[in-house]
Amino acid sequence: DAGITQSPRHKVTETGTPVTLRCHQTENHRYMYWYRQDPGHGLRLIHYSYGVKDTDKGEVSDGYSVSRSKTEDFLLTLESATSSQTSVYFCAISNTEDGYNEQFFGPGTRLTVL
Amino acid sequence: GQQLNQSPQSMFIQEGEDVSMNCTSSSIFNTWLWYKQDPGEGPVLLIALYKAGELTSNGRLTAQFGITRKDSFLNISASIPSDVGIYFCAGLHTNAGKSTFGDGTTLTVKP
Repeated sequence: DAGITQSPRHKVTETGTPVTLRCHQTENHRYMYWYRQDPGHGLRLIHYSYGVKDTDKGEVSDGYSVSRSKTEDFLLTLESATSSQTSVYFCAISNTEDGYNEQFFGPGTRLTVL
Repeated sequence: GQQLNQSPQSMFIQEGEDVSMNCTSSSIFNTWLWYKQDPGEGPVLLIALYKAGELTSNGRLTAQFGITRKDSFLNISASIPSDVGIYFCAGLHTNAGKSTFGDGTTLTVKP
């Protein structure tokens, strides 16, 4: 298994509070991604990073921000959580520099916003 | 944004039967990926396809990259109970590493 961990694995919070999810990798891969998974919507890209301090938006980025200060860590922040952000969040990594674009996923974080 | 149409949405089959699912898109992709997700876990990569027309097998799984580069299919032969899960296709059209995912096919296998 690719060395990807996510923390916390489960979190319950209240509307309006800030929340930060962490993704940590030990593979030294260049690319890191945050997805959310909701019933009937598959996996939707929130933000991704193509290097330290280099990030870009995905298709559902509103209400989320990210930071990557080290190769191994990619943080996802909900500045003011809303109930619509209740979801399962997955981090993924890939290393396209070897010519292959496979993404490897972490175990997920289940977030509930009350 | 780009969309992938994955079908069927769900399948209920008997153990031992073969399964086929596919993804189509209006856009061309350079790479097709197939993943399986078990309950409570992250998706796990099954097969990666990099060339139009490519046919690749992984045990009882076979996947093909369509000639038009706009579609791909996944076949599972002689299904077993542990094949239960959600199967996702994903397409990439650049080398930037971003994937577009289908909505998944939920497979149920009856013993």
